[in-house]
Amino acid sequence: QLQESGPRLVKPSETLSLKCNVSGDSIINTFHYWGWIRQPPGKGLEWIGCIHHTGDTFYNPFLQSRVTISMDTSDNHFSLTVNSATAADTALYFCARHPKTGPPDFWGQGTLVTVSS
Amino acid sequence: AIQMTQSPSSLSASVGDRVTITCRASQAIRNDLGWYQQRPGKAPKLLIHAASNLESEVPSRFSGSGSGTDFTLNINGLQPEDFATYYCLQDHGYPFTFGQGTKLEI
Repeated sequence: QLQESGPRLVKPSETLSLKCNVSGDSIINTFHYWGWIRQPPGKGLEWIGCIHHTGDTFYNPFLQSRVTISMDTSDNHFSLTVNSATAADTALYFCARHPKTGPPDFWGQGTLVTVSS
Repeated sequence: AIQMTQSPSSLSASVGDRVTITCRASQAIRNDLGWYQQRPGKAPKLLIHAASNLESEVPSRFSGSGSGTDFTLNINGLQPEDFATYYCLQDHGYPFTFGQGTKLEI
C-alpha cells in the first residue's frame, strides 16, 4: 500500500512537499522505482518522476528545475518537493510503484494540493 | 519526449457495446505501453501492461493490442462499471508520457 501525506494548502512561491509511506513492500526492493504523478483538476495525468534506492532518478523536463524526489530507507518512505509553487501546481498528487520494466502498477489514493494565498 | 496521441477524447456507448480506444506514439516504443482506467476522484487502475497483457483480476472483456507506434484498447460487452476515463502510458523511455484520456460515457 502507498499513502500520500502533506500540507493540502501551499502559498504561491513556497515549497510543496509530500511524503509517500509504503507498506507491504520495501523501497530498497531492487526491482522497483518509486515515483510521483499528478493530475490538475479536470485534466489528464502528468508523470513527474521516479527514484531507485541506488539513487538513480528521472524527472520530467517540464518540472525538472523545481522538483526533487528523495527517499528515506530507514522509514520506508519517499518524498516529493516542488519549489516556487504556483497555481499551476494545484493538482491531485499520486505516488506510485514503478516496476523496473513496465508501467506504474500500485498507486496511492492521491492527495489534493492547492496552491493559493 | 515521446508524445502519445489518444483518441477519441470522449465516447458515448451503451451497456453491451464493444468500444475501441487508440493511442499513437510519436516514435516506435516496441510494446512498452500500459492502459489505465480511472474513476472520478480515484487513482488510476492498471488494466494492461506490455500492450496486451491483462493484469490479474481484470475482466477478460478488456483486451489490448499493438506494437511500434499504434495501440488499441478494446472493451467487449460494456458493463455499467466500465464507464470511466481511460489513459494510455508509454513506459519505453523517460519521461513516461500519458495520452490525453478518453472519457467513456453512457
